[in-house]
Amino acid sequence: GENVEQHPSTLSVQEGDSAVIKCTYSDSASNYFPWYKQELGKRPQLIIDIRSNVGEKKDQRIAVTLNKTAKHFSLHITETQPEDSAVYFCAASTGNNNDMRFGAGTRLTVKP
Amino acid sequence: SQTIHQWPATLVQPVGSPLSLECTVEGTSNPNLYWYRQAAGRGLQLLFYSVGIGQISSEVPQNLSASRPQDRQFILSSKKLLLSDSGFYLCACQKFGYTFGSGTRLTVV
Repeated sequence: GENVEQHPSTLSVQEGDSAVIKCTYSDSASNYFPWYKQELGKRPQLIIDIRSNVGEKKDQRIAVTLNKTAKHFSLHITETQPEDSAVYFCAASTGNNNDMRFGAGTRLTVKP
Repeated sequence: SQTIHQWPATLVQPVGSPLSLECTVEGTSNPNLYWYRQAAGRGLQLLFYSVGIGQISSEVPQNLSASRPQDRQFILSSKKLLLSDSGFYLCACQKFGYTFGSGTRLTVV
């Protein structure tokens, strides 16, 4: 089955700097890669996703890149703000019912 | 769009007591439903998933069980809680995208 590795586990940046979180996956059949943001004690919320037919997707300060050959994908947050502080999860799926697999999460802290 | 209602938000239960967490979905029909557990500071572990009424698949052997008595209702249960059952439990729905419930923080004491 799919295995998703996520790094780093914690990340601290200064406000205004960029943050990058990286994930690798094992199943070459995976074709959907969402990213979730989870604030303390709350539910994970989808912030951006990418499908395997594109290499990059951007939404304002957030971008995701995908390298299918190397089986890795990354989340990029530019001009970070304190409200970006949260735990971020990557995930990978082939679209089948039970194979969405999540990374272990990255705790991002943005220092004002 | 689909919305998920999950309750209770927090629960403190003694070891050996039963458990029942409920999740209901609005705005869609015949969704795939999931129960995840999130241990403190860790990732999301898939416990159960269901593709239809009465259809439950278990991902990991454990002290918990799940049931889907109605199309939009998913229940997580235990007959006797263990200390290791403590965690943050999330229900999720997949129809058009993946949506999480608000979670239940369970503390077994």
